[in-house]
Amino acid sequence: GESVGLHLPTLSVQEGDNSIINCAYSNSASDYFIWYKQESGKGPQFIIDIRSNMDKRQGQRVTVLLNKTVKHLSLQIAATQPGDSAVYFCAENMHQDTGRRALTFGSGTRLQVQP
Amino acid sequence: ETGVTQTPRHLVMGMTNKKSLKCEQHLGHNAMYWYKQSAKKPLELMFVYSLEERVENNSVPSRFSPECPNSSHLFLHLHTLQPEDSALYLCASSQESGLLQYFGPGTRLTVL
Repeated sequence: GESVGLHLPTLSVQEGDNSIINCAYSNSASDYFIWYKQESGKGPQFIIDIRSNMDKRQGQRVTVLLNKTVKHLSLQIAATQPGDSAVYFCAENMHQDTGRRALTFGSGTRLQVQP
Repeated sequence: ETGVTQTPRHLVMGMTNKKSLKCEQHLGHNAMYWYKQSAKKPLELMFVYSLEERVENNSVPSRFSPECPNSSHLFLHLHTLQPEDSALYLCASSQESGLLQYFGPGTRLTVL
């Protein structure tokens, strides 16, 4: 895949188990966070987002938790399926000194689902 | 499908060639981006266009030249590239600069 050669943290889970992918973000001024999924040979796909005025947001089989105190974000995937195997990126969004917003991506976590 | 298309999907070029990558978004967005994703580094932002104006250029070598003729189209012109430029080049768009971005499938570029 695109990240061969890049040392990514890897999470290996059994099909049907729940997965938790973690992300530490860098800037306490970040007020909007996004999780992306990137399958081999494809571009990143939006999964779920959360604003800093929330602690938790749920989607279909996915939940994002935000802990602003320790600047930590997590993505929980319920009943993990083989199709969930991919690299997952978190991204933080904040205002820059220029007044413009910028999105900064983490390096990603590879999720491997064992049948 | 995310509404962002990129062509070609795969490109092999020599170091003396000139080629262009094309991106088109069908989402009515005002901002478009070029990213580089290589085997050794995470996503690297190259260029940002907002309302067809280049607003960010992250110290990208001049052998990469972006063009944004309108809010729906973005090009990346390539010339005299190096083998280390081989990577996946991703285009993205968003309603406004810096907000939720939708990505295209990428162009896998190999420089020989």
